[in-house]
Amino acid sequence: GQQVMQIPQYQHVQEGEDFTTYCNSSTTLSNIQWYKQRPGGHPVFLIQLVKSGEVKKQKRLTFQFGEAKKNSSLHITATQTTDVGTYFCAGQRSFQKLVFGTGTRLLVSP
Amino acid sequence: EAQVTQNPRYLITVTGKKLTVTCSQNMNHEYMSWYRQDPGLGLRQIYYSMNVEVTDKGDVPEGYKVSRKEKRNFPLILESPSPNQTSLYFCASSLVPRGVMGEQYFGPGTRLTVT
Repeated sequence: GQQVMQIPQYQHVQEGEDFTTYCNSSTTLSNIQWYKQRPGGHPVFLIQLVKSGEVKKQKRLTFQFGEAKKNSSLHITATQTTDVGTYFCAGQRSFQKLVFGTGTRLLVSP
Repeated sequence: EAQVTQNPRYLITVTGKKLTVTCSQNMNHEYMSWYRQDPGLGLRQIYYSMNVEVTDKGDVPEGYKVSRKEKRNFPLILESPSPNQTSLYFCASSLVPRGVMGEQYFGPGTRLTVT
């Protein structure tokens, strides 16, 4: 079954508010990726984290990989309507295996 | 332009009628995979392939077949579709440098309805 869970499943924010989605794995991951899927579109790669405790930033987006390499988070500062979509994490459990999380759907009201 | 293409984009079919969804990539990626996306369940892997003639089951392989006769193509075959296979299907490809899964490039998706 699904071994990478994301919370929350859904979040509705006002434009300008912050947003965070959390990704939790039952097993240690070798690395983790994040994707964004716009409504009606396909997942698009955002970033990859490899090292324990790693933090990366892309403009208003901050990605973290936990010290134990079992969890990760994506934080968006001051959301905009263009941030609307579903955010997925994807963890590599072993060679050749990439497991996607359940996704967090973000809705931003102007 | 680097891309993954899927056909058809939309398909409505009946139970038991064999169908194939094609997937092709032009990036010379060795790794290709198929996912299905269902509400609340995220993306679940059906099958993947590390190279030509090398395929393996993902997390939900029942009712599906794949083949990898050429590096660029990875068709998904439903021998006898059933209504529980109604879903949105994505093909993806990537490099795997030194065993680390690279960025997944996704196709546009195929929305399948089985009645």
